[in-house]
Amino acid sequence: KNEVEQSPQNLTAQEGEFITINCSYSVGISALHWLQQHPGGGIVSLFMLSSGKKKHGRLIATINIQEKHSSLHITASHPRDSAVYICAVLGGGADGLTFGKGTHLIIQP
Amino acid sequence: DGGITQSPKYLFRKEGQNVTLSCEQNLNHDAMYWYRQDPGQGLRLIYYSQIVNDFQKGDIAEGYSVSREKKESFPLTVTSAQKNPTAFYLCASGRQAFDEQYFGPGTRLTVT
Repeated sequence: KNEVEQSPQNLTAQEGEFITINCSYSVGISALHWLQQHPGGGIVSLFMLSSGKKKHGRLIATINIQEKHSSLHITASHPRDSAVYICAVLGGGADGLTFGKGTHLIIQP
Repeated sequence: DGGITQSPKYLFRKEGQNVTLSCEQNLNHDAMYWYRQDPGQGLRLIYYSQIVNDFQKGDIAEGYSVSREKKESFPLTVTSAQKNPTAFYLCASGRQAFDEQYFGPGTRLTVT
């Protein structure tokens, strides 16, 4: 079964800082998801990627299949980016997605 | 206005009672999923359905049951056999199995 590790677990930064959240997994996958969960609990899908890089607004996601690693970057961070960011992988022998425990991000004004 | 709805947002039950959580989607998605989230843990898959009238157990199906009689609906019943039912339950859907998933707002179940 795939082991998904995220780092850091908690991150507090100042508004405007460049943020990087990392995700590594143990077994080859077919796709990786980045999700955002706000304090109310609702989850939004940010990216699904299987190679290379994707960009949406101030968010950038990259994946290195050989190194079994993905990063989520936030440029010009803002307090509204405060949330839990979750990495989930598809494949590696499991039925469905395997989720990381999440990175709790707080952006202070 | 397409999306996934879950109701209710908060649910309280006494131990020993079965309870059914609602999940409806109007996205015309074939696949639907139920996840459980506990503090400090990643989401875990309870059941999933790739098509109407078909569903499969996920990693933690014991004590739960589902049905998929309509494409739009995938209700989850938490039975009295589930030993630790208090948790946050999330429903999701996708165009096909394990494609990008769209999540509902969740139901927080408390059993005392």
